[in-house]
Parts: sequence; structure tokens; C-alpha cells
Amino acid sequence: DTGVSQDPRHKITKRGQNVTFRCDPISEHNRLYWYRQTLGQGPEFLTYFQNEAQLEKSRLLSDRFSAERPKGSFSTLEIQRTEQGDSAMYLCASSPTSMNTEAFFGQGTRLTVV
Amino acid sequence: GDSVTQMEGPVTLSEEAFLTINCTYTATGYPSLFWYVQYPGEGLQLLLKATKADDKGSNKGFEATYRKETTSFHLEKGSVQVSDSAVYFCALSDPGGSYIPTFGRGTSLIVHP
Repeated sequence: DTGVSQDPRHKITKRGQNVTFRCDPISEHNRLYWYRQTLGQGPEFLTYFQNEAQLEKSRLLSDRFSAERPKGSFSTLEIQRTEQGDSAMYLCASSPTSMNTEAFFGQGTRLTVV
Repeated sequence: GDSVTQMEGPVTLSEEAFLTINCTYTATGYPSLFWYVQYPGEGLQLLLKATKADDKGSNKGFEATYRKETTSFHLEKGSVQVSDSAVYFCALSDPGGSYIPTFGRGTSLIVHP
């Protein structure tokens, strides 16, 4: 397994457009997380899945954000009607279900809204 | 809710100097504690972890001890190298928080030759 992969690595979009990011976790991992990271800050939790079920969403996640993990494997994060404040690095991570294990991160998708 | 507080950076050191990066936490349950590192242009990767009080995590010359009485998990290294220049994140995973990893804001380390 090559680890967590994210696509695209970079995305530039115009304000008001919709964007979709993809995350492929480590294959045997049940948990999948989405985080957002801005310059000088740590990762901020957005949402997570246990298999295909979305179990928790942060209050940071506005109605314009939606995430899916349809078959419990890859996940997508969509942002509708992007705003300049959405510019950030979007990180995906996965982990096994066992509770004392670390999360494994992808390299992230850097979104720039112009 | 859970939170992690790290010392502000950047921390600037000369090669072979001693490193300490402070980290304290608040948690509703009994968390596991982690240090992650992010090298320039790369994703976050685990550096070390500890899952119960008084455990010491260690890797690549870095160490951190889980201190429940002071709710701390300070990162130390006896002799830093230029290649240690990176951003270091303290994190916790708490059963009271559904085990969702919670991160500090990160501390940038710059090591000069």
C-alpha cells in the first residue's frame, strides 16, 4: 500500500465555482478524516467516516461543504459556491478502528479561491 | 472540549543544541498523545506517541513523556540537526472526543549549521 493519496494536489478556482477533492485511504483503514489547515495553524477537524457512515461533522463545516464515502473506501469532499475564505490546505487522514493508533495523512489538496 | 496548546514558534537553534517544545492539553477522557512532524512540502507523519501516563515515546532521537499530573507531553531532543528543521504538531486522541485527533497549532523549528 502506498499510503493515503489525495487528488488533486493543487486547485485554483474562481469564487462561486464548485470544487471536489478525492481521498484514497489506506485500504484496511475503517476511519477516514477530513481536516482543513491554514497558514500557521494546525489541522482543524471537519468531518469523519467510520466505513461509509459519516459520524460527526464540525461546526466549522458550513452547508456549502459536503462529504461522502459511498462504499467505505475512497471519499470526496465538495465545496459549493466557493469563497475566498475557503482557501486552505485540505487534508485527508485514515486510521484503523483500534483506538490508540495514529492517523495517517495524505499530502493534502491546496485550494486557492481567486 | 479537547484542546492542545503548544509553544509559539519559530524556535531557532544551532546544530547540536538541545531542543524542547512544550505541549499541554485538556481532555474529557484519558487520551493518547502524539507528536507529528511536517517537513517542507510533505504531509504530516507520526514522530512518536504515548498511550498512558508515564509512558515515554521515542523515535529518531526525539522523546516525550506522558505526564498526566501536569497534562503535558513536551518534546525533547538532545542534539538537533539541520535535517530536523520542520513543523512539529502535538496532538491527542480522546475517548471522550470519539477518538478524533485534535491538534495544536504547530511549532516551527529552524536549525542552523
